[in-house]
Amino acid sequence: DAKTTQPPSMDCAEGRAANLPCNHSTISGNEYVYWYRQIHSQGPQYIIHGLKNNETNEMASLIITEDRKSSTLILPHATLRDTAVYYCIVLERYSGAGSYQLTFGKGTKLSVIP
Amino acid sequence: ETGVTQSPTHLIKTRGQQVTLRCSSQSGHNTVSWYQQALGQGPQFIFQYYREEENGRGNFPPRFSGLQFPNYSSELNVNALELDDSALYLCASSGGQGATEAFFGQGTRLTVV
Repeated sequence: DAKTTQPPSMDCAEGRAANLPCNHSTISGNEYVYWYRQIHSQGPQYIIHGLKNNETNEMASLIITEDRKSSTLILPHATLRDTAVYYCIVLERYSGAGSYQLTFGKGTKLSVIP
Repeated sequence: ETGVTQSPTHLIKTRGQQVTLRCSSQSGHNTVSWYQQALGQGPQFIFQYYREEENGRGNFPPRFSGLQFPNYSSELNVNALELDDSALYLCASSGGQGATEAFFGQGTRLTVV
């Protein structure tokens, strides 16, 4: 089962910031928060991940609360192409050749409105 | 473009048949995972291969099997197809030990009739 809880859907006006929340209250100390998105009929796309510090890349920013029980993915200027299902996943990273699996929940369907 | 390619893109099979799906991983990636995505659901982990060995398996029956080749490409085989096997099958590759940023292919849409 997914260890995260996300709202099933959200709308955002084009050009505005999209803030997607995720609850992961049972996250353990060595688990990272990952975000992927899936545009209709395509494979999931990696967006960003973090452990406890806020992270930013060319696609998005990730804000993790100090207690690490929740996080927010921010798309600073949403475009129509950002319409997708966004998945928040918690995952332990391995330093060796350990197996890992991405456990996807149902995600948040973000609709960017013109 | 992720550099992960899957073939075929679409496939129709009859119940009871066998199917083989193929995945070419991104250059330099030695880990390949397979996922099944039913309509309206998130992807479900089937198994993972690391350097040609199965390295983890999800809750799927033994009729789901796989291979990874020396060039790190991979196959997913499903025997005795059932109607519920109809889904999008996704391949993801990642590189290096501990690298968990997975890059997905576009998937193979399998329909079992």
